[in-house]
Parts: sequence; structure tokens; C-alpha cells
Amino acid sequence: GESVGLHLPTLSVQEGDNSIINCAYSNSASDYFIWYKQESGKGPQFIIDIRSNMDKRQGQRVTVLLNKTVKHLSLQIAATQPGDSAVYFCAEKHPDDYKLSFGAGTTVTVRA
Amino acid sequence: DTEVTQTPKHLVMGMTNKKSLKCEQHMGHRAMYWYKQKAKKPPELMFVYSYEKLSINESVPSRFSPECPNSSLLNLHLHALQPEDSALYLCASSQVFSGRNPRRGQPQHFGDGTRLSIL
Repeated sequence: GESVGLHLPTLSVQEGDNSIINCAYSNSASDYFIWYKQESGKGPQFIIDIRSNMDKRQGQRVTVLLNKTVKHLSLQIAATQPGDSAVYFCAEKHPDDYKLSFGAGTTVTVRA
Repeated sequence: DTEVTQTPKHLVMGMTNKKSLKCEQHMGHRAMYWYKQKAKKPPELMFVYSYEKLSINESVPSRFSPECPNSSLLNLHLHALQPEDSALYLCASSQVFSGRNPRRGQPQHFGDGTRLSIL
């Protein structure tokens, strides 16, 4: 599968391979994390979330991993499909705040 | 299709015009948000309403005026905008946790936005 150890703005993936999108978050006190997918011309679409009392959560074809020691969040997409091409944003939330703080985003392009 | 509906989808206005963006949700969410998004950038929070009261104003210029008439509707009134205000304006909503911590994280659900162009 395709993976990157550090956050990169773009990721090119072969159709059918697994993708890993990485995100470094900034606030060690953040207790809620969320991944969004944004396709061209649309708003961000909720994919999966995780709270700080967990280190892994699985959804349909997606898995989110949280490493609080190094403040790292990742999104794994299994068997990447052309419809997965989009910009992916991670976001974190501090427990005392309503605000989501978004990462810079990773553009995923799926090669046929 | 999203459960948060924004109108209009596109808006072109002059710098002296007054217009409004509208947002509607019927998920029973009691927190609603306005974001601004420039091309290839993440959304930037502008305003947060909780139980129809303004909770957060992220130092937004007064030419943007939010309004929450009821728990399902959120408006953004625009007046005397500048060309740099051209962007995608996104509305979102979320549940408010009813336990001890009302700020407990909940997914925010976004509409598809209004693409605003200022001439």
C-alpha cells in the first residue's frame, strides 16, 4: 500500500492499494479528532472520528489510528477506489472549546 | 446529498450590495457554524451558535453579520464586502452534548457551501 510517514500535501495511489494519510496535531490537550473528505465542488464530508481514550477505530474500509505520545493521527483506506480521490482534512478539538482546528489537507489522487 | 442545505449555491455581488446566505438543517442539532474556505485551504471558523445564541465570533469583520432565527436556520448577512472576501462559505451543524461538558466533541456536518464572488 501507499503510505507516508510525515504529512505531505499530495498522495498518489494505485487503485486497489491501501492508502495511509498522516496528520500531526498541535495540542496535546486535544481530546477529539475527526477526518473529513472534501470532493471538488462539495463541502467536507464526515468520514470517522476518534476520542483520546482510544487509539484505533474502524469504519467501513477506513481505520483511524491515534498516537498521543507523538501527537499523530492517521487515516487508512483499504482497497482505494477512484471515488476516494479528494482532499482529506484532519481536525482536532480541545475539550474546553467548540472549535475544530483543521490541518492543511492532503490531496489524494487514485491512479487507474 | 447533504443534510445541511445552503442557498444560494453561487452568488456574485458588487461591493456595495447587501445579500444573505442561508443554511438549514433538520437533524435537531443545536450548534451551528459558519466557515470560510479559500481555494486549496482548510475551512476557517467564523461564527458558532449554540442554542441559537452566538458563542464564538472569530474576530470577523462587521461586514459579515450572522443571525440564527431558530434552531434549524442560520443566516449570514453580507454588506460592503471586499474582493478578498470571495470564497466558499460553508455552514455546519452538530449536536450539543447534554452531559456535564457541552463542548464534548461531536461530528460537524457540513453543507456544500455558497461560492461567493465579489466584483
